[in-house]
Amino acid sequence: EAAVTQSPRNKVAVTGGKVTLSCNQTNNHNNMYWYRQDTGHGLRLIHYSYGAGSTEKGDIPDGYKASRPSQENFSLILELATPSQTSVYFCASGGGLGGGAEQFFGPGTRLTVL
Amino acid sequence: QQNVQQSPESLIVPEGARTSLNCTFSDSASQYFWWYRQHSGKAPKALMSIFSNGEKEEGRFTIHLNKASLHFSLHIRDSQPSDSALYLCADDTNAYKVIFGKGTHLHVLP
Repeated sequence: EAAVTQSPRNKVAVTGGKVTLSCNQTNNHNNMYWYRQDTGHGLRLIHYSYGAGSTEKGDIPDGYKASRPSQENFSLILELATPSQTSVYFCASGGGLGGGAEQFFGPGTRLTVL
Repeated sequence: QQNVQQSPESLIVPEGARTSLNCTFSDSASQYFWWYRQHSGKAPKALMSIFSNGEKEEGRFTIHLNKASLHFSLHIRDSQPSDSALYLCADDTNAYKVIFGKGTHLHVLP
């Protein structure tokens, strides 16, 4: 089964600090995604990638950057963290491309910005 | 813009009940649909998919798809407390991303 891992699993950051969330997948999926999940909003897409070197803006990209240095790794970067970015962040791989493929999620990172 | 709407937002049922969760989608050209299940504190995980009109059954779970009415649903027979979770429906037809609904919180009381 597809394996997606995330680090760290929990993070407390200060307002204005830089935060990097990392994601690794071992199933050679081209597509990777970053979502945040908040009560009442469901899963909201922040950034996605079609493969190494590509990043695309999702539905709520403001305040976030992404980096895809390799097929396996996809990072989400908060250059200047704010309390409104307190959330649970999920990385996923697979799916998309309009082909109906299953999407595989990592375990999530709980980020608290004080 | 494509979107997926789920109903109800929350549902409480007794153990053994038949449970129905609903989704409507906005694009008549959509053709690939998934249900994901997310237990509390865990990641979403794919449950079932359906790609053509009609019905698909896997154990206690059945999906119905009616493209003409832009509707698909998940039915759980003999609901168990272990079925308590957030259920997310998804339209995976878009060429770039999966469109998720906001989810239905299901609570099955023992």
